[in-house]
This record gives sequence, structure tokens and C-alpha cells, in this order.
Amino acid sequence: QVQLQESGPGLVKPSETLSLTCNVSGGSISGYDWTWIRQPPGKGLESIAHISYIGSTNYSPSLRSRVAISLDRTKYQLSLKLSSVTAADTAVYYCARLEYGHYSLDYWGQGTLVTVSS
Amino acid sequence: SYVLTQSPSVSVAPGQTARITCGGNNIGTKSVHWYQQKPGQAPVLVVHDDSARPSGIPERFSGSNSGNTATLTISRVEAGDEADYYCQVWDTSSDHPVVFGGGAKLTVL
Repeated sequence: QVQLQESGPGLVKPSETLSLTCNVSGGSISGYDWTWIRQPPGKGLESIAHISYIGSTNYSPSLRSRVAISLDRTKYQLSLKLSSVTAADTAVYYCARLEYGHYSLDYWGQGTLVTVSS
Repeated sequence: SYVLTQSPSVSVAPGQTARITCGGNNIGTKSVHWYQQKPGQAPVLVVHDDSARPSGIPERFSGSNSGNTATLTISRVEAGDEADYYCQVWDTSSDHPVVFGGGAKLTVL
């Protein structure tokens, strides 16, 4: 059974860089697309970054200048970096796998809450 | 970019049928996926590719997609179905291809 586990600091100061990792276990990391989703408190889901199985990336237009996604196949890790954070970046951050073909998100991590505050 | 529109709330009595819609321009030409999210939990895929159910999802959950509207139908609604439901598509014409609807809160009366 594929399992995804996010990790990172729960608290980040304004203007700093948020760094998260997602450990993948129970299945291959290669051959799949991966994505980071975030959900501000009380709000809906927002996909913020995507990386394809060949390493091409896409980002939410509103975050493109501040966000980066990467994949380390040797460590079975997906990573997210978001720079110059503000309180508006406070959210639960999820990593998820995209099913090959029609791109449903078939496996999700449990999510990690990141609060931006001084 | 592609926009998915969901009515924010749906209410239904136990045992009745709930229908949650997701509107988008020619959405019938895309594969639509649905997620259930209960408070404090990660979303769970309940319907993929318009109408297919992942293993472990009850047959009470079904989907359809045509024209400009996709629909998630939950038959014989139970109290445990109360949750937020999100539709999602993959749109290669958007800057970012993973597109979610705004979500709909299902309340079981």
C-alpha cells in the first residue's frame, strides 16, 4: 500500500522560506506525477505545484515566483519550497500522487499544518 | 484557466439521495474526479474518471458527466456521508493542470 508522509516545520516566520518534504513508501516514485495541494483554514483545496514523471513542472500562477517543487528518486522524496511567506500562506499542505492516465489524485498524505507567524 | 463551479452547500435527509454538481465549460469532454473530505482528515478519492469507484468505496457513490455539468450522486445517504466534496479535472490548457472546484458541504439533516 502506497503511503505518503509530509514533514516540515509547523511554524515559519514571515519573509522566510517554507520547506516541506513528502516521503513515499510502499510503491514506486518513478513513473508517476506528483503534486502539492494546500488548504487554508476553513477554505477549499488549491493545487500549488506539480511535477511530471519526466521532471517537468507547473505552478499556480499566483505563486509561480515563490514556489519550487522537486523529486529525489533515490530518497523517495518529494519536496516543496515556498519563499517570502506571509500569513496568507498559513495552510495545511498535502502531497499527493497523480494516477497515470486521467490524473486523479489516488494517494494523499495526511497533511501538515504550517503557520506563518512571528 | 479552467474554472470549476460547485454550489457551496447541499442538504439531504438520511436515506434520501444527494446530488452534488460541478460546472465547467464542456466539462463533459474531460475526466472528472470527486473527493470526500471529513473534518481534520485528508481528502479521499470516491469517484474517478466520471463514474468509476475506487476499491472500498460503497456502491452508493456514483457519478455522471455530460455537457457542462458533472454530478456526484450519493444514494441512501447516511450520517457518515456528511463532509465536504470536491470535484477535480486535469486541464492541460491551464497554467497549472490540476484544477479543483470550490467544494460543496453536504449536510445530513
